[in-house]
Amino acid sequence: AQKITQTQPGMFVQEKEAVTLDCTYDTSDQSYGLFWYKQPSSGEMIFLIYQGSYDEQNATEGRYSLNFQKARKSANLVISASQLGDSAMYFCAMRGARDTGRRALTFGSGTRLQVQP
Amino acid sequence: DAGVTQSPTHLIKTRGQQVTLRCSPISGHKSVSWYQQVLGQGPQFIFQYYEKEERGRGNFPDRFSARQFPNYSSELNVNALLLGDSALYLCASSYDRGPGEQYFGPGTRLTVT
Repeated sequence: AQKITQTQPGMFVQEKEAVTLDCTYDTSDQSYGLFWYKQPSSGEMIFLIYQGSYDEQNATEGRYSLNFQKARKSANLVISASQLGDSAMYFCAMRGARDTGRRALTFGSGTRLQVQP
Repeated sequence: DAGVTQSPTHLIKTRGQQVTLRCSPISGHKSVSWYQQVLGQGPQFIFQYYEKEERGRGNFPDRFSARQFPNYSSELNVNALLLGDSALYLCASSYDRGPGEQYFGPGTRLTVT
């Protein structure tokens, strides 16, 4: 079975500083995908970044980057230059090869990030 | 371009009743997935449909059912509602190729009393 673990229930960061949100995963699949989503208080899940298990480079999307360490089974999200609008819940998710056909994502329990002015 | 839309936004039902939630995917997306998010937890996969066929089902009882229409919109039905069905129900759409990142709608918040 696949499992995503997010060990930080809540994080605080000062505006304009960088923050790392931790994510570890467990899977027996050789091919898998890792995703990060942001969920503001409005409830909508916003896709941030994707990393494939065979991608050699760490994924980056604007201020978001994914620190992918395959041997350690970790996929931490780094947000640079935090903004007040980054305050939200952040979820790490994965989809294993067996789930590719059904597009099912397995989510972690999330980390609540609060950006302080 | 319009994102994923869901209706209704909020819903209050009584135990034992039935509910239907609706979802319209992003134009061009043929795959629709449903997730249940209980307060304080991450979303749990319920169903995925592609081209009107069920592609996958999560660990949910038969009280949960869904369908997809020719225009790729989808409905999620829940029968014999229980208090534990109170949650945010999220619909997501995606392409059926590539990494298949899913784009979520705003959700329907269901309260069962």
